Amino acid sequence: EVQLVESGGGLVKPGGSLRLSCAASGFSFSTYSMTWVRQAPGKGLEWVSSIKSSGTYIYYADSVKGRFTISRDNAKNSVYLQVNSLRDEDTAVYYCARGRGDWSRDLYYFDSWGQGTLVTVSS
Amino acid sequence: QSVLTQPPSVSAAPGEKVTISCSGSGSNIGNNYVSWYQQVPGTAPKLLIYDNDKRPSGIPDRFSGSKSGTSVTLGITGLQTGDEADYYCGRWDSSLSTPWVFGGGTKLTVL
Repeated sequence: EVQLVESGGGLVKPGGSLRLSCAASGFSFSTYSMTWVRQAPGKGLEWVSSIKSSGTYIYYADSVKGRFTISRDNAKNSVYLQVNSLRDEDTAVYYCARGRGDWSRDLYYFDSWGQGTLVTVSS
Repeated sequence: QSVLTQPPSVSAAPGEKVTISCSGSGSNIGNNYVSWYQQVPGTAPKLLIYDNDKRPSGIPDRFSGSKSGTSVTLGITGLQTGDEADYYCGRWDSSLSTPWVFGGGTKLTVL
């Protein structure tokens, strides 16, 4: 069974940092791309960042570029999101999701999701 | 910039059929594969449809996806109260520097 378990969320002051983690199990982690998606309270889903299986290709949403860094450790079956220079508008539940398909053919989707970790930015 | 537009809300009675549209702008959705996600309040999203019209195992055939031109549609037949949720379309466009986009979401109310 595919499992994705996020951790690392919490309450942080504006300008602060956190490192979110997503531990994967039940599948061959090193062969899948991974993605972080967030959802602000009462709002829709917002894609944050994706990383290819090897870590060689990485993409970010404009809203987090330069502040957030996605990485992965295939030996530990984990993907991370380092979130720096946090703003009030970064308050959200952060989900990690497993990607499937082929980026180059614009054929891509998220077939498994974790339960999310809440990041609250407040002074 | 690529945008996917969904109606904010739809509603129907139990047993009826409903459709949710997802139209693209800024980049031709006709060249991409769209997926659909269901999110029951308080839970994580779940994949419903991928590659425009394919269902993952375990998703009942009451849920269907179709594409026509620059618009894709999610259809749900035989509505049940458990279908009340938010529905999101999404797609990957490799021509963009920020390649993934979600639609704004549609809240389905089963009256």
